[in-house]
Amino acid sequence: RKEVEQDPGPFNVPEGATVAFNCTYSNSASQSFFWYRQDCRKEPKLLMSVYSSGNEDGRFTAQLNRASQYISLLIRDSKLSDSATYLCVVNNYGQNFVFGPGTRLSVLP
Amino acid sequence: DTGVSQNPRHKITKRGQNVTFRCDPISEHNRLYWYRQTLGQGPEFLTYFQNEAQLEKSRLLSDRFSAERPKGSFSTLEIQRTEQGDSAMYLCASSLEGGHKASEQYFGPGTRLTVT
Repeated sequence: RKEVEQDPGPFNVPEGATVAFNCTYSNSASQSFFWYRQDCRKEPKLLMSVYSSGNEDGRFTAQLNRASQYISLLIRDSKLSDSATYLCVVNNYGQNFVFGPGTRLSVLP
Repeated sequence: DTGVSQNPRHKITKRGQNVTFRCDPISEHNRLYWYRQTLGQGPEFLTYFQNEAQLEKSRLLSDRFSAERPKGSFSTLEIQRTEQGDSAMYLCASSLEGGHKASEQYFGPGTRLTVT
């Protein structure tokens, strides 16, 4: 089993839709969690950290469920510019960061 | 530009040649990471430095790969005797660590290696 798993998609959604991605991780000792966004042929860029209590940044909401070992990302009111690959990242402090394979999102006009 | 920079951006080399890539992190960042990414996959961890100390190396990193960060600032990644399977995007990232939880990483634009 891979350490971090994501549904590769693609998720094709119309503009204005709400879309959610899940990510599961296998290392119960993981302490830090992030969502990164990666555009085609570009480097990953931090979207948001994921806090234990959940956190929101504009149209984006991240949740962490430690008991079930998954992280979610919710995007409301999707924009065309949200089309990208969303990478889930997990870290056990003092060790390296593990990236999931990414979920591809296409927002259609 | 105060972000992470990488050079060269593209490198085409013949099988068996050696290549070296450079990464300049954000100046105040003490951690520097190297990753490799192939199409359709997330970045795979290769190695990381805390200041000048190399703290961890992935099992993916064969003996042909070596990385240095001699003064705790820029870093180089060298691949000796390149193979076609080394073709990938090599990404560098940096972060400022000091607390009890890992900090966000900031990535450079990557070096795309093609081995012919």
